[in-house]
Order: sequence, then C-alpha cells, then structure tokens
Amino acid sequence: NAGVTQTPKFRVLKTGQSMTLLCAQDMNHEYMYWYRQDPGMGLRLIHYSVGEGTTAKGEVPDGYNVSRLKKQNFLLGLESAAPSQTSVYFCASSSGLAGGNEQFFGPGTRLTVL
Amino acid sequence: AQSVTQLGSHVSVSEGALVLLRCNYSSSVPPYLFWYVQYPNQGLQLLLKYTSAATLVKGINGFEAEFKKSETSFHLTKPSAHMSDAAEYFCAVSDGPGNQFYFGTGTSLTVIP
Repeated sequence: NAGVTQTPKFRVLKTGQSMTLLCAQDMNHEYMYWYRQDPGMGLRLIHYSVGEGTTAKGEVPDGYNVSRLKKQNFLLGLESAAPSQTSVYFCASSSGLAGGNEQFFGPGTRLTVL
Repeated sequence: AQSVTQLGSHVSVSEGALVLLRCNYSSSVPPYLFWYVQYPNQGLQLLLKYTSAATLVKGINGFEAEFKKSETSFHLTKPSAHMSDAAEYFCAVSDGPGNQFYFGTGTSLTVIP
C-alpha cells in the first residue's frame, strides 16, 4: 500500500513551458486535492475532485487545470508556466466518509519556474 | 467561511520543556479539526483529529489537543519536547466529510538541546 504518490519529485521549467503533475492513490478514495505550499502562507487549495470525472476550483485556481479521468489519478496541468508558480505542490486524498475525512498527503513536487 | 489562525510562526523550546502550539478557528458549524506535522522535505502527516467525540484528543508521538468551543481553540501540547519534534506544524479545519480543508500558516518548532 503506497498511499499517495506524486510524479515527478522535482522539476525546473522555463517561463511559458507546460507540464503535468501526476498524483496517484491506492486507497480507493473518492476525494482528491491539489495544494501549493509557499513560505509563510501555509497550504492553499488549487483544485479538488469529489469523484471520477468531476473537478472544482479551490482558493487559487488561476493558471492551473486538472483532470480526474480515473478514480485513482488526479492530474494537475500548467499550460504556460510563470515564475509565480514556483512552489511545492502537494496532492492529497480523502475517503469523504463521515468522521473519517482526514486527508492523506503525498511527498510533494518541488517546481521552479525560471 | 472557515479560517484558521496559528499564533506564532516560530516557537522555540528547550528539550524536555512543554510544547504549546496555538490554533484558533472560525466556523459557522461544528467543525472537524486537525493537526498535521511536516518534517523537512516531506509531505504532511496527521498528528491527531477532533471529530466531535472527546474534547481531549490524543495523537501520535505524545501530542494531544483540547477542543474548547467557548474559546474556538484547538491548541496542541506535548509535556516534554524531544529533539525529533522539530518540524513545521499545521492546524486545519473542515466543516464536513470530504469538504475543503482550511490550513493555518504553520508554526515552525525548534527544540534547543
């Protein structure tokens, strides 16, 4: 049971380049989330999904897109990277069941945009 | 809307001393509350959670937190700090199963030998 995994662990992009971050979970969770973590700002929700085929915007969605084609995978895309998107990105998943809705986090992806 | 305030972005304690990390929340409904720990270059790991059962919640590594509705607080404590407790700690609030989490800005704990 690997939990939540993220690919890649590190990436350096040039301004304007695109990339996709992959999140996978093997806990059969319905809910998945993408966060960004910046110094002094905690974690901010980018997008989330409450089930296969569904996505919704979080607090800071601009410049990002997501897809949830399979229940176990949640992809985060940057179409045209900007230096302001330099951050550490975390994926999380949750069962969504009453009383048991803690989120389980992946190890993170450190992205630098030059 | 939910929000979380963590007082003190940096806290330093001596090894063996009491650890107290503060968290206050705002919520229009009875909340779920969580404390997570993040070690350097790692993801977040759940320390403990409050889900409307006992107001004193015990977690891993000797940590505990008390839910005080009248004070809208959920402070994290540990009686005796260990060097291995040095990490970033995040308080989070959620108002229902699967709902969005709202994180505080984090408190960095330093343990002085």
